[in-house]
Amino acid sequence: NAGVTQTPKFQVLKTGQSMTLQCAQDMNHEYMSWYRQDPGMGLRLIHYSVGAGITDQGEVPNGYNVSRSTTEDFPLRLLSAAPSQTSVYFCASSTRAPNEQFFGPGTRLTVL
Amino acid sequence: GDSVTQMEGPVTLSEEAFLTINCTYTATGYPSLFWYVQYPGEGLQLLLKATKADDKGSNKGFEATYRKETTSFHLEKGSVQVSDSAVYFCALSPNQAGTALIFGKGTTLSVSS
Repeated sequence: NAGVTQTPKFQVLKTGQSMTLQCAQDMNHEYMSWYRQDPGMGLRLIHYSVGAGITDQGEVPNGYNVSRSTTEDFPLRLLSAAPSQTSVYFCASSTRAPNEQFFGPGTRLTVL
Repeated sequence: GDSVTQMEGPVTLSEEAFLTINCTYTATGYPSLFWYVQYPGEGLQLLLKATKADDKGSNKGFEATYRKETTSFHLEKGSVQVSDSAVYFCALSPNQAGTALIFGKGTTLSVSS
């Protein structure tokens, strides 16, 4: 099992550009989430999904879109990148029950 | 809403010292509680968990007990090693919601030899 994979590992964007951060898991987990990690702020939930076709907003959803067309994939789209979105982004997945989440290795994004 | 508060760091210790990282929570119902560890340049890994009051989670010499009366889940280790240097996150999972975790802000531990 590869677990949770994320691509790319690093990305530099200019203000106003759009891009998609990819996340995939091969554990057949129903729940998937996106977090951002900023110094002194811990991890903050952006969006999450309880299953294919179902998504919901987390604590900091503005400027991001998600979709969940398959159980395996949960891409995060930045619509028009802003310097405030410079961060490290983590994708996570878990089984149905409130349980541990498995994290990907992260994507470090810099917006100039 | 639900929240997690953990002691601010950084925590700096010498090898073989005793470690305590405090974590308290606010939640309705009976959340599950977790400690995650993040080594430099890596994602988060589950260190230990507890799903009900008085449960003790343990792993790699680390322990934490779910105390409902004090709403706490303090992380302890009797003798730290240089390899324990990392950022430690306390988190809770509300039972009635999905599995999106609520994290504390993290505590950086630095252990010197």
